[in-house]
Amino acid sequence: DQQVKQNSPSLSVQEGRISILNCDYTNSMFDYFLWYKKYPAEGPTFLISISSIKDKNEDGRFTVFLNKSAKHLSLHIVPSQPGDSAVYFCAARPSGTYKYIFGTGTRLKVLA
Amino acid sequence: DAGITQSPRYKITETGRQVTLMCHQTWSHSYMFWYRQDLGHGLRLIYYSAAADITDKGEVPDGYVVSRSKTENFPLTLESATRSQTSVYFCASSELGQGPSYEQYFGPGTRLTVT
Repeated sequence: DQQVKQNSPSLSVQEGRISILNCDYTNSMFDYFLWYKKYPAEGPTFLISISSIKDKNEDGRFTVFLNKSAKHLSLHIVPSQPGDSAVYFCAARPSGTYKYIFGTGTRLKVLA
Repeated sequence: DAGITQSPRYKITETGRQVTLMCHQTWSHSYMFWYRQDLGHGLRLIYYSAAADITDKGEVPDGYVVSRSKTENFPLTLESATRSQTSVYFCASSELGQGPSYEQYFGPGTRLTVT
């Protein structure tokens, strides 16, 4: 049973516009959420995180929003750039553990 | 080289063979992880380790064995490889105290094909 879901396998966005990547989870005991970016033939790299006690975290062009009542997480990229084209994974950490459960990923393509 | 490395980067093996994937990190991170990435499944945790000689099963441990005799190394062994173990394998490490979110640092991956 997939506890962390990314229901959109792919997304295309025009350069300069906003990219919104979504993630849903089922376990209310997750206490941290992370987003990773992955380029082909490379390992994932950490992008941004958010604690379950917050509803927003911002880092430059990247903002993560957390809606605990809806068990929904989203990553906003503004403005989108061609270099943002990659696969994005969301991940959630069960409280009291040090492991993360990953979603299936969303492939973002930013069109120049 | 500083960071986290995996070897080999590519491996082709036959069904039934034993194969070991190596992972080495230079940060002395306490925690290490093995994931496999498959289309439609994302990253699934195979095994993880909190310290030398402490390991635990993840979501998909069957058919795999790990050991951690030294902090910096975390090899993953497929005891008798099967075609269903064809995948890209990622090793990762993290350290308590480097920020509250304990983000993981990933190696470049090993692409394993079992024929």
